Amino acid sequence: NAGVTQTPKFRVLKTGQSMTLLCAQDMNHEYMYWYRQDPGMGLRLIHYSVGEGTTAKGEVPDGYNVSRLKKQNFLLGLESAAPSQTSVYFCASRRLRNEQYFGPGTRLTVT
Amino acid sequence: SQQGEEDPQALSIQEGENATMNCSYKTSINNLQWYRQNSGRGLVHLILIRSNEREKHSGRLRVTLDTSKKSSSLLITASRAADTASYFCATVSDRDDKIIFGKGTRLHILP
Repeated sequence: NAGVTQTPKFRVLKTGQSMTLLCAQDMNHEYMYWYRQDPGMGLRLIHYSVGEGTTAKGEVPDGYNVSRLKKQNFLLGLESAAPSQTSVYFCASRRLRNEQYFGPGTRLTVT
Repeated sequence: SQQGEEDPQALSIQEGENATMNCSYKTSINNLQWYRQNSGRGLVHLILIRSNEREKHSGRLRVTLDTSKKSSSLLITASRAADTASYFCATVSDRDDKIIFGKGTRLHILP
C-alpha cells in the first residue's frame, strides 16, 4: 500500500515550457486535490476532483489544467510555465469528510 | 480568504514544555483537522475532531473545539525535539465539504 505518490520529485523548467505532474493513490479515495505551497503562504488549492471524470477549480487555478480519467490518478498540467509557478506542489486524496493523505511533493523551479 | 487561521505564527519552547497552538475559522464546519509538516515533506494527518465533539486525545496530543467561538486548539504535552515542525489546521465546510488550510504555526523545540 503505497498511499499517495507523486512524479516527478523535482523539475526545472524554462519559461514557456509545459509539463505534467502525476499523482497516484491506491486507497480507492473519491476525492483528490492539487495544492501549491509557497513560503509563508500555507497551502493553496489549485484544482480538485470529487470523482473519476470530474474536476473543479480551487483558489488559484489560473495557468493550470487537470484531468482525472482514472479514479486512482490525478494529473496537473502547466501549459506554459511562468516563474510565478515556482513552488512545491502537493497532491492529496481522501474519502468524503475524512482526513487527507498527502504525497511527498514535487519541487518545481521555473527559470 | 483562508478559513483557518493559526496563532501564533511561530513558537519556540524548551524540550519538555507543553506547546499550544490555536486555530480560528469563520463559517460552519463539519469537522476540523490538524496536520504536521516536517521540513521538505508532505503533510501528515494528526487528528480530526467533528463539530459535535468538544475534545479529543491522541497520545501526547489534545485537541479542543469550541464551535460557538469558531476556534480550536492543539496541545502537545511534554514536547520533544522531534515535534519541531509546522502545524496546520484545516476546516471542512458543512455546506459543500470543501477543505481549507490555514497558514500554519512553526514550532521549534529547543534542546
